[in-house]
Amino acid sequence: GQQLNQSPQSMFIQEGEDVSMNCTSSSIFNTWLWYKQDPGEGPVLLIALYKAGELTSNGRLTAQFGITRKDSFLNISASIPSDVGIYFCAGQLTSGTYKYIFGTGTRLKVLA
Amino acid sequence: DSGVTQTPKHLITATGQRVTLRCSPRSGDLSVYWYQQSLDQGLQFLIQYYNGEERAKGNILERFSAQQFPDLHSELNLSSLELGDSALYFCASSVDRISSEQYFGPGTRLTVT
Repeated sequence: GQQLNQSPQSMFIQEGEDVSMNCTSSSIFNTWLWYKQDPGEGPVLLIALYKAGELTSNGRLTAQFGITRKDSFLNISASIPSDVGIYFCAGQLTSGTYKYIFGTGTRLKVLA
Repeated sequence: DSGVTQTPKHLITATGQRVTLRCSPRSGDLSVYWYQQSLDQGLQFLIQYYNGEERAKGNILERFSAQQFPDLHSELNLSSLELGDSALYFCASSVDRISSEQYFGPGTRLTVT
């Protein structure tokens, strides 16, 4: 099925470090969503982006809707152990059924 | 807690069998979406219902079907199960037809033996 290119696939970082991840595609999207998923749990919505260039924060998380509408970025500042999990982006297609395409996920591990 | 509920939490069954997964959307949400997530994989969109009618189809096998009832809860039926159908199945809901934001349930873990 269709998926977005999400990178990095995984990362190990030290507690307190900043984290950056991104999603890219050849398709243009209406909306970008960022989710966090803990093992065996459902994804939890973190941030929603609706306009090209939009920058939105949720606590230590900041996400941006790329100006080309083909990419999005998520930054986590001052990481803490509970940031561990898998982060997914999802882009909403601009036509047809307007369904969401999900990224392949970034697995984050934080070393205390 | 997203407000989306799914039952059962876990399901173990044999190949060739049929199972039904149930989802209740958040209060006020009219759209329900079903996703499949295989081990260490991303989320694959299966199907969307809006206010009782099928709205969009993704990579859903012919052996799978779904419906949304008048009270807006939804069921995903999986038949002639194969080992490869073992996965987490998630339901998500959103307020409208064109899903600004989707909220996910806790999932049903299906194991086919």
